[in-house]
Formats: sequence, C-alpha cells, structure tokens
Amino acid sequence: GAGVSQTPSNKVTEKGKYVELRCDPISGHTALYWYRQSLGQGPEFLIYFQGTGAADDSGLPNDRFFAVRPEGSVSTLKIQRTERGDSAVYLCASSLKPRDSRSPLHFGNGTRLTVT
Amino acid sequence: AQKITQTQPGMFVQEKEAVTLDCTYDTSDPSYGLFWYKQPSSGEMIFLIYQGSYDQQNATEGRYSLNFQKARKSANLVISASQLGDSAMYFCAMREDSNYQLIWGAGTKLIIKP
Repeated sequence: GAGVSQTPSNKVTEKGKYVELRCDPISGHTALYWYRQSLGQGPEFLIYFQGTGAADDSGLPNDRFFAVRPEGSVSTLKIQRTERGDSAVYLCASSLKPRDSRSPLHFGNGTRLTVT
Repeated sequence: AQKITQTQPGMFVQEKEAVTLDCTYDTSDPSYGLFWYKQPSSGEMIFLIYQGSYDQQNATEGRYSLNFQKARKSANLVISASQLGDSAMYFCAMREDSNYQLIWGAGTKLIIKP
C-alpha cells in the first residue's frame, strides 16, 4: 500500500515568510509524528498526534511552529515568520500502534526547507 | 544521560564484506523495542529491522541481522555481503512501552567501497 507522503519535497522561502508542510500518513495509522533533522544529526522530535489531537507538542521550538490534524489523517506543520535557523529536513512519520513498542514508525521522504 | 549511543561516526567497508554497526542503549523499562533505520542521501528514513526486549532470538531480515545482547544493553546491526547501495546513514532507535517517543542515536555513516 501507499507509504507516508510529504509535500512539497523541497521548499525555499524568504526569511519572515509563512510556510505549510503537508503530511499524508499511511491509511489506518492513528499516530502521526513530526520530526526535524539538521544535517549530520538524528531526527529531533517536534509533535505527536493521536487521532485529531496533539498528544505531545513539547518538541515545538517556539510559538512560530504549529501543527494541525483536523480529521485525524492529513497533518499540516505551519511555520510563521520563518528564520534561517528553521532550515532543515522536516520528517513526518506514522505508526499503527503508538503505545506498542514493537510498532515501528514509517517515515515519509521529508520536506527540505531552506530559508534564505 | 544519553539513552542511545552509536560510537562509530563513520565506517568504510569493502564491498561484499560483512559490517557491524554498534549500538548501546540505556533504559529501566523492562519492555522496549529497538529499531534500525537507514537513511540514504535521498533523505528517506527506511525501517530495516526490529528487536523486542522479550524476544528470545536475534531478529533477522534478509541481509540484516541484529546481534542483541540484553545484559550488555547492546543491539548491533550486522549487514552481510555489503553492497554499494548500502552506503547511507544508519540510525539506532528505541521505544519504551512507557513512552511512545522514538529515541535516536547520532547515527553512523557507512560507505561501501567498490
């Protein structure tokens, strides 16, 4: 079946602009995660959704970052007043059983965000 | 304290040789899972193999196997008969039953030489 889909694959924006990154998880996966990955580092947790609600948004770096998942499927990560330090690859993942340590996260190809 | 440690920032291996990527972890949760992911230069994070804390046998998946030593808290990934396409970053990660989050190591960059 289809995997996790992220759009756009690349986004270049100017400092101060607003951007939206979209994630379409695997059908039936109730858990959705956003991660940010800088060059040469492992993924950094941003936010976790269980269904429609954000169960944990403790990883969001500041209030310029916001994410929604209104119907429990597609999620959008929104970044306001972008800064050059926001440049990174934003990864989305979904899993079938978030409370089961055996359930792997399946990742999309990521969105490479570049803020100029 | 770091929960996942990957001590090899980079490795060079000759094609067709076996390679072992090291991973040690720290947890007080008796129930947990260990995962290995591959990230090629294209950026996708690809799930490779899983080992559960209660699994009696080492996990295997094609050319990938996991050398799980629970008492030593290590979960090394073994790739047999390496191929040029195995060149990538490899991440070890852990999930505890008490926490839905995936905890990541810093990764190992593997380069296969022809």
